[in-house]
Amino acid sequence: DAGITQSPRHKVTETGTPVTLRCHQTENHRYMYWYRQDPGHGLRLIHYSYGVKDTDKGEVSDGYSVSRSKTEDFLLTLESATSSQTSVYFCAISESTVIRQETQYFGPGTRLLVL
Amino acid sequence: GQQVMQIPQYQHVQEGEDFTTYCNSSTTLSNIQWYKQRPGGHPVFLIQLVKSGEVKKQKRLTFQFGEAKKNSSLHITATQTTDVGTYFCAGLNYGGSQGNLIFGKGTKLSVKP
Repeated sequence: DAGITQSPRHKVTETGTPVTLRCHQTENHRYMYWYRQDPGHGLRLIHYSYGVKDTDKGEVSDGYSVSRSKTEDFLLTLESATSSQTSVYFCAISESTVIRQETQYFGPGTRLLVL
Repeated sequence: GQQVMQIPQYQHVQEGEDFTTYCNSSTTLSNIQWYKQRPGGHPVFLIQLVKSGEVKKQKRLTFQFGEAKKNSSLHITATQTTDVGTYFCAGLNYGGSQGNLIFGKGTKLSVKP
């Protein structure tokens, strides 16, 4: 498995509280992604980064913000958590060193429960 | 926007039976990838198909990419209990944002011993 860790692995929080999830990689890959996974919806892209301080929105970005101050770290923040943000969050990385090869490597995931 | 549809959503088979999952895109794809996620685990890359009509095999798994590069399939011969999990296809279209795969919703496979 690629060197990707996510922290925390599990979190329970209350509605309205801020939450930050961390993704850390040791592969020096350029691209990093945050997905959420919910039953019946598969994997949905929240935000992604294509370099330090370079980020863009995915298909379900409302209520989420991200930051990438170092190549190895990509943070996902829920400014004010809501119950609809209860989900499993996956970080992924990829490196576009070869054209048309965009294989993504996933972290172990963070299970977030918002009460 | 681009969509990737995957069917069936669930498949229950007896051990030893074959299994197939299908993936269809609303647009022509640059490539398609397949991932497997074991229960409680994270998606793991299986294979990538790039060429029109490409067929690749990994032991009992056969992957195909359609001639029009808009559909793909994964076929497992003689399923085993170790095949249990959810199989996702993911399509890449360079007409969109670079590096962003569009995932299908997955097919959850259960295998009865």
